[in-house]
Amino acid sequence: AQSVTQLGSHVSVSEGALVLLRCNYSSSVPPYLFWYVQYPNQGLQLLLKYTSAATLVKGINGFEAEFKKSETSFHLTKPSAHMSDAAEYFCAVSLSNFGNEKLTFGTGTRLTIIP
Amino acid sequence: DTGVSQDPRHKITKRGQNVTFRCDPISEHNRLYWYRQTLGQGPEFLTYFQNEAQLEKSRLLSDRFSAERPKGSFSTLEIQRTEQGDSAMYLCASSQGQDSYEQYFGPGTRLTVT
Repeated sequence: AQSVTQLGSHVSVSEGALVLLRCNYSSSVPPYLFWYVQYPNQGLQLLLKYTSAATLVKGINGFEAEFKKSETSFHLTKPSAHMSDAAEYFCAVSLSNFGNEKLTFGTGTRLTIIP
Repeated sequence: DTGVSQDPRHKITKRGQNVTFRCDPISEHNRLYWYRQTLGQGPEFLTYFQNEAQLEKSRLLSDRFSAERPKGSFSTLEIQRTEQGDSAMYLCASSQGQDSYEQYFGPGTRLTVT
């Protein structure tokens, strides 16, 4: 079975500081990994995805994530936080053998930006 | 491309009533997914379709839930005899098919059962 664990349900950072949101996965086969962002009263928007190509993945809005197989991690980072980054972030995993099937999501991390 | 749309955006119903939600995927997408998201949790997979075929159903989808995609375009999710535990955000997503790993989500339908 596949699963993801997001450490920290709430993270607060100062504007301009580094953003680090943690995600660890469990999968019996090589996974496809995703980060989604959800703004209040909106659907989920894909930030970036890992599909077994480059281990360092760049996404939208200056976010990036690095796939580390040895650590079973896919942490999301952004060098400098902006007020508009305040949202809920979800890590998700899909089985690579099938790729385009169901996503299993973590419980989410709410990011607050301190002015 | 207008994205994935869902209707209604909000639904309040009394316990025991039936409700139906609609999802219109992105036009060229042949896969359609339903997820449920409760407060403070990530979305949980319910079911998905490739064209009109329902390929997988979660154990979360009890007998009171049924989903259809009759012509391989829009989909409906019906909940019969609603219970308070059904209160959640119901999310629909679509994707282009094999070798496309991106699911595009709609805004969701928030269901409140009183």
